[in-house]
Amino acid sequence: DTGVSQDPRHKITKRGQNVTFRCDPISEHNRLYWYRQTLGQGPEFLTYFQNEAQLEKSRLLSDRFSAERPKGSFSTLEIQRTEQGDSAMYLCASSRLTYEQYFGPGTRLTVT
Amino acid sequence: SQQGEEDPQALSIQEGENATMNCSYKTSINNLQWYRQNSGRGLVHLILIRSNEREKHSGRLRVTLDTSKKSSSLLITASRAADTASYFCATQPASGNTPLVFGKGTRLSVIA
Repeated sequence: DTGVSQDPRHKITKRGQNVTFRCDPISEHNRLYWYRQTLGQGPEFLTYFQNEAQLEKSRLLSDRFSAERPKGSFSTLEIQRTEQGDSAMYLCASSRLTYEQYFGPGTRLTVT
Repeated sequence: SQQGEEDPQALSIQEGENATMNCSYKTSINNLQWYRQNSGRGLVHLILIRSNEREKHSGRLRVTLDTSKKSSSLLITASRAADTASYFCATQPASGNTPLVFGKGTRLSVIA
């Protein structure tokens, strides 16, 4: 039984660099979500896909952020020109429509 | 923005005691879900209660929902040291296909 996987688990980058994260959802799930979580806070919604269509983006998702889900399978989240404020845990989750979401282990980003 | 607000922010109990966490939210919901997060890891779905349900049980977990007060509670009975984690409530708003909105969480410590 494979759950949601994310890669890498940790990423340290210098300010101004671009980073890309990958999420592989549970195979039969058609919805895929990205969240950001900072210390002491709950996850904050960034964007989600239903199959390959990106249906909603949070105002938190600035122009430096872009997400894709080609062919409705895995998804990538890219952050361009990283800033120190981007340091956070980036969580991916998948679900069947509006049912409970299954989360991956997250990618911890540190921008120095 | 985060809709759910958990109370208390932190809770410390002895093993074997019951732990109760509360969640309040602001807008009408489709369902409310509780998640657990161990330190630095992804979230694990615990239980989902729909807006037309008042109480739900799963093992040592009992969740109640009062839509008139826009509040929910999570009761963990006979707590164990392994229950030590952060617990988040997440609401799915009734308006359209909007994703989950998480609270800031309750940090539960169960002392052996």
